[in-house]
Amino acid sequence: QSVLTQPPSVSAAPGQKVTISCSGSSSNIGNHYVSWYQQLPGTAPKLLIYESNKRPSGIPDRFSGSKSGTSATLGITGLQTGDEADYYCGTWDTSLRAGVFGGGTKLTVL
Amino acid sequence: QLQLQESGPGLVKPSETLSLTCSVSGGSISTSSYSWGWIRQPPGKGLEWIGTMYYSGNTYYNPSLESRVTISVDTSKNQFSLKVSSVTAADTAVFYCARWGRASAALDYWGQGTLVTVSS
Repeated sequence: QSVLTQPPSVSAAPGQKVTISCSGSSSNIGNHYVSWYQQLPGTAPKLLIYESNKRPSGIPDRFSGSKSGTSATLGITGLQTGDEADYYCGTWDTSLRAGVFGGGTKLTVL
Repeated sequence: QLQLQESGPGLVKPSETLSLTCSVSGGSISTSSYSWGWIRQPPGKGLEWIGTMYYSGNTYYNPSLESRVTISVDTSKNQFSLKVSSVTAADTAVFYCARWGRASAALDYWGQGTLVTVSS
């Protein structure tokens, strides 16, 4: 079981919007920034969102992040077939003194 | 542009020690703003954070792996390494090295990953 909880899968049609949730606790999300990663099939994860809501250079503004309390959300608008991937949330856990990830969410663009 | 590249044996026997090195180019490993870490992903499964080390020596490990894991940094070679002792088949995974931002708590640069299989 992962420290952070994500839905195993989400799906939506091309052009639509989807959100992926990430739930934690006060020892992790509640007191630390959240990051989101996109892992396309057969490739290394790529940073999508850092400091809960900032996008690295080159990441389109179709991707957004937010955090409230002990939960975080990744939003993707204008879905494209190329967005089909696994998405992971991550953060630091003060109690564990370690980084933690969610179990990952598989996005299917129907 | 920072680049990270993992290297090491792709096959390790059970009970032996897995050793991997990550070579960093395009930037110095000797920075207090970032640490250097390892993440693994068993086939068909999710990401697991292994640990991270600052060049100053401060190290943080996943509690579930701490007794078997050692991360070290070689500033002269701009490399950092991972050792996992007493491996079993459950340690079979793709291993990634990555840079961890101290302030952002994000892994902003990743290596391409290397598959390590534990088998006799």
